[in-house]
Amino acid sequence: QQQVKQSPQSLIVQKGGISIINCAYENTAFDYFPWYQQFPGKGPALLIAIRPDVSEKKEGRFTISFNKSAKQFSLHIMDSQPGDSATYFCAARRSSGDKLTFGTGTRLAVRP
Amino acid sequence: EAQVTQNPRYLITVTGKKLTVTCSQNMNHEYMSWYRQDPGLGLRQIYYSMNVEVTDKGDVPEGYKVSRKEKRNFPLILESPSPNQTSLYFCASAVAGGPDTQYFGPGTRLTVL
Repeated sequence: QQQVKQSPQSLIVQKGGISIINCAYENTAFDYFPWYQQFPGKGPALLIAIRPDVSEKKEGRFTISFNKSAKQFSLHIMDSQPGDSATYFCAARRSSGDKLTFGTGTRLAVRP
Repeated sequence: EAQVTQNPRYLITVTGKKLTVTCSQNMNHEYMSWYRQDPGLGLRQIYYSMNVEVTDKGDVPEGYKVSRKEKRNFPLILESPSPNQTSLYFCASAVAGGPDTQYFGPGTRLTVL
C-alpha cells in the first residue's frame, strides 16, 4: 500500500525551466511534508519541508505548494540548473507517528 | 563534522551467509532508522529505534534484525541473506521527538548471490 504517491517517475527539463514534481497522500493524519534530494552515490538530504497550516513555502529557487483539501503537495524548482539533477523524494509524517513515509522518487535531469 | 557513517559501502555475499552492516552517528541523536532503496519503490523503512534498547519494525522488517545497545550505533543484521535482499541500504538519524529532519548515511550497496 503506497500511502504517498509521487509523479512523475522521471523528468527532463531544460536549463532555466521550471521543474514540477507532484505528490498525493491518503492519510489525513499526516502533518509534516518534507522533500529530500539525493545525488548519485549519496544519501538523501532534506531540501525543504512544509506543515499543513500554510499553503506555500519558498526557499530560494525551491517552493512547496500544499493543497490540504486535495491532499496533494508539489515541489517547484524555478530556473532549474544542471546542478539540480538528482532524485527527489517527497515524504509525509503523522503527528503521532515515529516514521516518515516516502514517495517512490523522481529522477530529474536538467539539460544544459 | 556531523555525520552518519555506514560500513561497508559495498558488499557482495552469498545466500545464507550472515552479515552485519554497521551504522554510527556522532550527533547524539536518539532516533535511528534503516531503509532500503529499490528502483520504483523509493525508500522503505526496515526498522527504527527511538532510543537505546528501544527498537520497532518498519514497513519491511522480514529477514532483518537490529540492535541498539549504544546511542551512537545501530547495526543491521541479516542472519540468512537471500537474493531478494539485494538492495541499497541507508541508515539515518534524527533528534528526539520524531524524525522531522533525518540525516542519512552514504549508503551500503548489498548484492546477495
